[in-house]
Amino acid sequence: SQQGEEDPQALSIQEGENATMNCSYKTSINNLQWYRQNSGRGLVHLILIRSNEREKHSGRLRVTLDTSKKSSSLLITASRAADTASYFCATDEGGSEKLVFGKGTKLTVNP
Amino acid sequence: NAGVMQNPRHLVRRRGQEARLRCSPMKGHSHVYWYRQLPEEGLKFMVYLQKENIIDESGMPKERFSAEFPKEGPSILRIQQVVRGDSAAYFCASSPKTLNYGYTFGSGTRLTVV
Repeated sequence: SQQGEEDPQALSIQEGENATMNCSYKTSINNLQWYRQNSGRGLVHLILIRSNEREKHSGRLRVTLDTSKKSSSLLITASRAADTASYFCATDEGGSEKLVFGKGTKLTVNP
Repeated sequence: NAGVMQNPRHLVRRRGQEARLRCSPMKGHSHVYWYRQLPEEGLKFMVYLQKENIIDESGMPKERFSAEFPKEGPSILRIQQVVRGDSAAYFCASSPKTLNYGYTFGSGTRLTVV
C-alpha cells in the first residue's frame, strides 16, 4: 500500500534558496522518517519525528508533523548543489514494524 | 563499522535462472528488511526478518520469491525462475531494535533480467 505521498514530485531551485517538500499519509503512526537517495545509491536516514512531536531540527533540516492533518514537511534551508537528490518520507503504517515509503520528491539544486 | 553490505552490486540473469541477493546487516543489528525499487518509484516493502525468523512477508510475491536470515551468515533474498519484470533495484536495510531508530540501508543490488 502507498502510505506516504510526497508533494511536489519534482522541485528545481537555485543554490541558496530554501526547499520545502510535503508528505501526506493515511493511517495512524508512531513516527515519520525522511530519507535521501542520491541517484543509483541506497537511502540515507535524515531525521525521525515521533507522533507526539511537532517540529524537529537537524542542521539545515527542519521537519514538521501535523498528526491531525496526517502530513509532514521537510524544509532544507540555504540549499546547496550537493542537496540534489530524491527525498522520501516513510511511516510505520499503523505502528507496524515495517516502513512504508512514498514515491519521493526529486530535488534539483542548480549552482 | 562497515554498514549494511549488499552483494553483488549488479547482477544479470537470463530468464528462468535463479538470482541470489545477499545482505549483511550492520554489526549489532538484528532486524533486516528487504525492499524493491523500480525506476522513478519509491521503495516497496517485501519482507522483514529477524535471526532465523520471518516476521512479516506480506510484500513478497507468493511464488518464486523467498528470504532467509540464518543464525550465521547474511540474509538471502532468492528469486527463482526470474522474469523480465523482476528487473529492479533490491535494497536491504537493518535496524538495531524497532523503527524508533530508523533504518540503515545498503547500496542495493541492481538485478537485470535479459
